[in-house]
Amino acid sequence: SQTIHQWPATLVQPVGSPLSLECTVEGTSNPNLYWYRQAAGRGLQLLFYSVGIGQISSEVPQNLSASRPQDRQFILSSKKLLLSDSGFYLCAWSQDLEQYFGPGTRLTVT
Amino acid sequence: GESVGLHLPTLSVQEGDNSIINCAYSNSASDYFIWYKQESGKGPQFIIDIRSNMDKRQGQRVTVLLNKTVKHLSLQIAATQPGDSAVYFCAENDFRGNRDDKIIFGKGTRLHILP
Repeated sequence: SQTIHQWPATLVQPVGSPLSLECTVEGTSNPNLYWYRQAAGRGLQLLFYSVGIGQISSEVPQNLSASRPQDRQFILSSKKLLLSDSGFYLCAWSQDLEQYFGPGTRLTVT
Repeated sequence: GESVGLHLPTLSVQEGDNSIINCAYSNSASDYFIWYKQESGKGPQFIIDIRSNMDKRQGQRVTVLLNKTVKHLSLQIAATQPGDSAVYFCAENDFRGNRDDKIIFGKGTRLHILP
């Protein structure tokens, strides 16, 4: 069966520090991968998606970037965090229509 | 912007009663819809889906209704239980048959169960 992992589960970082969040998927090959951000009490905002290794599409201009160095690995990064980057970051994968979500990373920028 | 929206941000339902969560969408080309449940601090979980060639689909204690004429989607939860407390998101997929398909999420409805 397929599983999706995200780490860390929680993270507190100072403004201006770098960020690296990792997402890995097991049990499937060549999935579509997604990064979403969710502000408190709000909906899901699609940040990036990838249809293959090295292929990244950005949905909104922002302080973040994404990379896909391996088929089942998706990384969300920032060189310098802003206060507005705080939120709940969710990784998801899909092979057909339905998306499956990871457990999320709670990021607090102080 | 989001093309999938919700009528109510919070819904309070008595335990044991049925819950109905509504969703409106604006893209008439959307042909696949999903309901997700998100418990506090967790990622969304798939509940049920429906394609545009159907108007009703039933699962375990849940039913999704699709009205394409008015572009309206609803999730019905029978005999609501405390464990149903969560935020429910509707989502649509503008299916184009390629790997660029994306899901558009609504803002979510928080379901609150009254004892």
